[in-house]
Parts: sequence; structure tokens; C-alpha cells
Amino acid sequence: QSVLTQTPSASGTPGQRVTISCSGSSSNIGSNTVKWYQQLSGTAPKLLIYNNNQRPSGVPDRFSGSKSGASASLAISGLQSEDEADYYCAAWDDSLNGWVFGGGTKLTVL
Amino acid sequence: EGQLLESGGGSVQPGGSLRLSCVASGFTFSSYAMSWVRQAPGKGLEWVSGISGLGGSTYFAGSVKGRFTISRDNSKKTLYLQMNSLRAEDTAVYYCAKVRREGYNYDAFDIWGQGTMVTVSS
Repeated sequence: QSVLTQTPSASGTPGQRVTISCSGSSSNIGSNTVKWYQQLSGTAPKLLIYNNNQRPSGVPDRFSGSKSGASASLAISGLQSEDEADYYCAAWDDSLNGWVFGGGTKLTVL
Repeated sequence: EGQLLESGGGSVQPGGSLRLSCVASGFTFSSYAMSWVRQAPGKGLEWVSGISGLGGSTYFAGSVKGRFTISRDNSKKTLYLQMNSLRAEDTAVYYCAKVRREGYNYDAFDIWGQGTMVTVSS
């Protein structure tokens, strides 16, 4: 059971907009910034979003993040086949004094 | 663009020990906090442990506290994870990861290694 809660799966067709949600508590998302990671099959995770809504250089602006209270979401617009991957949210937890991850959302591009 | 390369994974019996290494290149290693993150087969990501740039502060997940030790040798640009009293549930791919901002202990992981597999089984 992960500390952060994500819907296990999501899907969309090419060109669509998809949103992935992440729910936490006051000790993690509620008081710290959210990160999002993308993990393509068989590869290491890659940083997609930091500080709730900031993209590292090289990440397309099709990816955007937002946070409200103790919840966050990742939106992917103009869905492409190469976006098919697992997506994880993460935040520092002040009570656990460590990082917590969501269980991951498997995105399928139909 | 930095790189991380893990090694030291393998198969070990329950109760055994293993030491993982992660060699860094392409960035000033001592300036950045580092972490270990693991992923059990078919499961999600789990943060294991973190260490500050100079090694003075360390952090552990509750599931490994008292069994795992994290350390670093900045002269060798190498991060270590000493794993003792290993259990079946420690079976996972172990990734080392670099913190994005220099001097910050809590920040996003912007560089990840390719991972090294640890299997704990009798």
C-alpha cells in the first residue's frame, strides 16, 4: 500500500488529453512540492515534473503538472504512442522523514 | 549531462549481506545529495535511503532502517548501499539517483542509473 494514491491505469487515443491524479496528505503533498516520473518499459525512471509544475529541459510542454491542497495531477495533452509508460508521483513526507511514491499509473495509448 | 552506473547486485540467501556501488561521472559528485530507490518485480518505486553531499546526513525508509547503511566516498565519486539481514521482500532492482539541485537534500531526482538487480532467495 503506497502512501500516495494513484489510479492504477489510464488510457487515451492519440491526440487526446489525459489526466493522472495523485492523492496524499498534509505531511507530504500538502506541505511539499510534487514530482512526477515517467518510466518506459524496461528502463529507469525519468524526471518529468518537479516543483509541482516545472519541466526539466527536454521535456515537451505537452506535459504539465498542478497541485491543490494534498492532491496533484499530471496532464498529458496531444497524446502520442511514445507516452505509453508508467507514471509515478512523489513527495517528501515530513512525518516519515523520507520520500514517498504513488503506486504508479500505467498509461495505455489505444 | 551526468551518468550513474550501479554494480554489486546478485543473488543472496535470506539473512545474507550485499554491498551495492554507484559510480558517478559528469558532475561534481560531492555537491549533490544522492538516494537509492528500489523496484520489486512488477511493482512500483520505493525510496530506500538518502545521503547529503558531504555525507553528514542520512535518511532511511522504515522498511530498511537498522539493516541498511548508506555511505559515499566523494574522492572516488561513489555511492554505496550496505545491505545486511536481507529478506525476500528486499528483492528488487536498485537504482541510485542524483538530487537535482546542488546543496539541497530534498529535491527531485534528475539522473538515475540503469539499476542493479538484487535477488534474496533460498
